[in-house]
Amino acid sequence: EAGVAQSPRYKIIEKRQSVAFWCNPISGHATLYWYQQILGQGPKLLIQFQNNGVVDDSQLPKDRFSAERLKGVDSTLKIQPAKLEDSAVYLCASSFFAADTQYFGPGTRLTVL
Amino acid sequence: AQRVTQPEKLLSVFKGAPVELKCNYSYSGSPELFWYVQYSRQRLQLLLRHISRESIKGFTADLNKGETSFHLKKPFAQEEDSAMYYCALSDGGGSYIPTFGRGTSLIVHP
Repeated sequence: EAGVAQSPRYKIIEKRQSVAFWCNPISGHATLYWYQQILGQGPKLLIQFQNNGVVDDSQLPKDRFSAERLKGVDSTLKIQPAKLEDSAVYLCASSFFAADTQYFGPGTRLTVL
Repeated sequence: AQRVTQPEKLLSVFKGAPVELKCNYSYSGSPELFWYVQYSRQRLQLLLRHISRESIKGFTADLNKGETSFHLKKPFAQEEDSAMYYCALSDGGGSYIPTFGRGTSLIVHP
């Protein structure tokens, strides 16, 4: 089966600019996750979707981050405006259901200058 | 709030030596525990989960609710085991929101 797809793989922007990441989960997976992984740390959950509804977004900085999964399939994560501390790898993962094994995408490495 | 602690940032052993990667958690309910692994230039992937109670690539992990631990063990380390290992907890309260530890880098020397 095809894995979780993410694009772009790398992105370099200047602070105060905006950026968007895209994720296409494994077909049939109802649960989709976005994580932020700062160098030297573990993945931190930003938002969890169940189909097109939000299960948890308690750690999403909502003043600058937004995410949507309109049709319950692919998803986009946006940062506007970016700050230096947003430099990280953004991981997308999906699972068949919420308690199941997560399958991760390759990640997008964001550098904010 | 749920928390996962991996006390060792780096673990360095020689081939054939036993390995134990520590994971402690704090959660008041019944958690689901996982170990994920990331080999060089590969994606993060599941290694094992406690409900499966199986051994993967020679690794085992036992959930100790009394000590709130889920340590990963392997009796004889191989060079190909060198990777980043992440312990993760998913709350069993219905939402199954995941929390990851900071990871332990395992280096197995020849």
